[in-house]
Amino acid sequence: QQQVKQSPQSLIVQKGGISIINCAYENTAFDYFPWYQQFPGKGPALLIAIRPDVSEKKEGRFTISFNKSAKQFSLHIMDSQPGDSATYFCAAVSSGTYKYIFGTGTRLKVLA
Amino acid sequence: DVKVTQSSRYLVKRTGEKVFLECVQDMDHENMFWYRQDPGLGLRLIYFSYDVKMKEKGDIPEGYSVSREKKERFSLILESASTNQTSMYLCASSRLAEQGETQYFGPGTRLLVL
Repeated sequence: QQQVKQSPQSLIVQKGGISIINCAYENTAFDYFPWYQQFPGKGPALLIAIRPDVSEKKEGRFTISFNKSAKQFSLHIMDSQPGDSATYFCAAVSSGTYKYIFGTGTRLKVLA
Repeated sequence: DVKVTQSSRYLVKRTGEKVFLECVQDMDHENMFWYRQDPGLGLRLIYFSYDVKMKEKGDIPEGYSVSREKKERFSLILESASTNQTSMYLCASSRLAEQGETQYFGPGTRLLVL
């Protein structure tokens, strides 16, 4: 029940295309869902995050869609660029705990 | 900007050595975390600390210990390094809050145990 399942494991997208990464969870106590971006040799950096009181959050080319009833959330990268090539992690955490549950990561490659 | 720094980017140690990895954050965060990252396994929590001298085991604490003597500093100790502890080690920090808060990560330490 503590798992966050992330898919796909890897993704190749043409420049200008849309990249979509999905995560699913079971624990309804989760109330914060961040996405992290990690470049090779670097630590993960927060990209965008959402709380379950909204169904969508957009920051520039990055959008999180959140479906509370389905217990799923996804990251959409519009107009994908080669500079977006990185590993993306979703995560979930519940109030009163500090423990993030991370997905296993998606390696995105955007072809020029 | 939150800054989390780790003492080394790369370390090479021999089996049986005692290894210290240090992490410092400059945002007065209450919570600090140590993860290891391995291909295909994502990030796994080793230990976390919610206050000075306080610590809790994460998912994979075996073979590791931690120390938090000052709020800004969190150390990970490998008592007797083994080859299966070769990995990328990531430190993170976050505020103490009622709801989930963003964790800020350091650049990581890539440890090779020979």
